[in-house]
Amino acid sequence: GDSVTQMEGPVTLSEEAFLTINCTYTATGYPSLFWYVQYPGEGLQLLLKATKADDKGSNKGFEATYRKETTSFHLEKGSVQVSDSAVYFCALSENNDMRFGAGTRLTVKP
Amino acid sequence: DTGVSQNPRHKITKRGQNVTFRCDPISEHNRLYWYRQTLGQGPEFLTYFQNEAQLEKSRLLSDRFSAERPKGSFSTLEIQRTEQGDSAMYLCASSLAVAGGGETQYFGPGTRLLVL
Repeated sequence: GDSVTQMEGPVTLSEEAFLTINCTYTATGYPSLFWYVQYPGEGLQLLLKATKADDKGSNKGFEATYRKETTSFHLEKGSVQVSDSAVYFCALSENNDMRFGAGTRLTVKP
Repeated sequence: DTGVSQNPRHKITKRGQNVTFRCDPISEHNRLYWYRQTLGQGPEFLTYFQNEAQLEKSRLLSDRFSAERPKGSFSTLEIQRTEQGDSAMYLCASSLAVAGGGETQYFGPGTRLLVL
């Protein structure tokens, strides 16, 4: 069945460092891909999404490109801030249910 | 702006008791989803409704679990004869179905269940 594998954490970076969190997926068809973020003490929030191959989702300085040839949707940010500290989940949706990765905890230190 | 709300936020119960959780979706959303999230894992799909119809159930949803959405608005998730393995965060999400799929699901804050 459909599944998502994302980079294991935790990831610790200094402020202004470059961030990459890897995400690859397995799907039988053409899923939509998502990154959700969970800040401490809060619920899941959509960060960005892409619904077809070669689409780039972007929000708050984060970007991810839907790569069908490598079945990937890696999350990147050029310069992280302390406020980006959170757990990041990669997810796919193909048949109305959403499959999530295990999450990657990011800590950004000043 | 009233997002997805869930009640209660926390529930502690003893093994063998029944518990019921409520989810109120965003008002114009016609789809409603239930997920379970355990520590260090991503949410796992349990079931979803389109309006009042329950269209899909995960194999994770044993016969002790039942969900309803009687009028196509709020939903309840009941767990009968709770077990310690049921301890988890139960998340509700809602969305507005769009042609071609890929709609965004909006999540509630969750109900954290602890079974003693």
